[in-house]
Amino acid sequence: NAGVTQTPKFQVLKTGQSMTLQCAQDMNHEYMSWYRQDPGMGLRLIHYSVGAGITDQGEVPNGYNVSRSTTEDFPLRLLSAAPSQTSVYFCASSYSGLAAYEQYFGPGTRLTVT
Amino acid sequence: DAKTTQPNSMESNEEEPVHLPCNHSTISGTDYIHWYRQLPSQGPEYVIHGLTSNVNNRMASLAIAEDRKSSTLILHRATLRDAAVYYCILKRTSYDKVIFGPGTSLSVIP
Repeated sequence: NAGVTQTPKFQVLKTGQSMTLQCAQDMNHEYMSWYRQDPGMGLRLIHYSVGAGITDQGEVPNGYNVSRSTTEDFPLRLLSAAPSQTSVYFCASSYSGLAAYEQYFGPGTRLTVT
Repeated sequence: DAKTTQPNSMESNEEEPVHLPCNHSTISGTDYIHWYRQLPSQGPEYVIHGLTSNVNNRMASLAIAEDRKSSTLILHRATLRDAAVYYCILKRTSYDKVIFGPGTSLSVIP
């Protein structure tokens, strides 16, 4: 199993550009989520999904869109990039949305917005 | 929101046990205690989790206080590879409430 994969690893955007961060998992997990991590800080939840076709907002959803058309994929879209969105983005998946299950994280995408 | 408090940093000598504390005084009865760690330039990695009883796995042990207001992650013999940021988080069924704090940065001295 590849686990959770993310592409690209690095990306530089200009202010106002849009892009999609890709996330895929091959573990047939129902629950997937996106976090951002700013320097010296913990992770903050952006959006999450408890199954195909179902998404919801996390702690910091503004400026980001998600969709979940398949169990495997959970892309994160930046609509109009801003310098405040410079961060490292992590995708995670879990067998279930229940609290007893652990999450598996991808390697991250390092995004810089100039 | 269920929050945890951890020391900012800790040091350990290689091959000695390490006890990483976490306070969670506002924990509710259905909150699970999860620990993750993050090595430099990598994504977080699951370590261990528990509800009420102490737990052991191949990576670590988790000791949970009887009142569940604190817990301790125990690494039995620290190695250089254990140098990482360790996060203690509380998980409940409503996932928009998962909070990762700054964690504890563990340094391992050869």
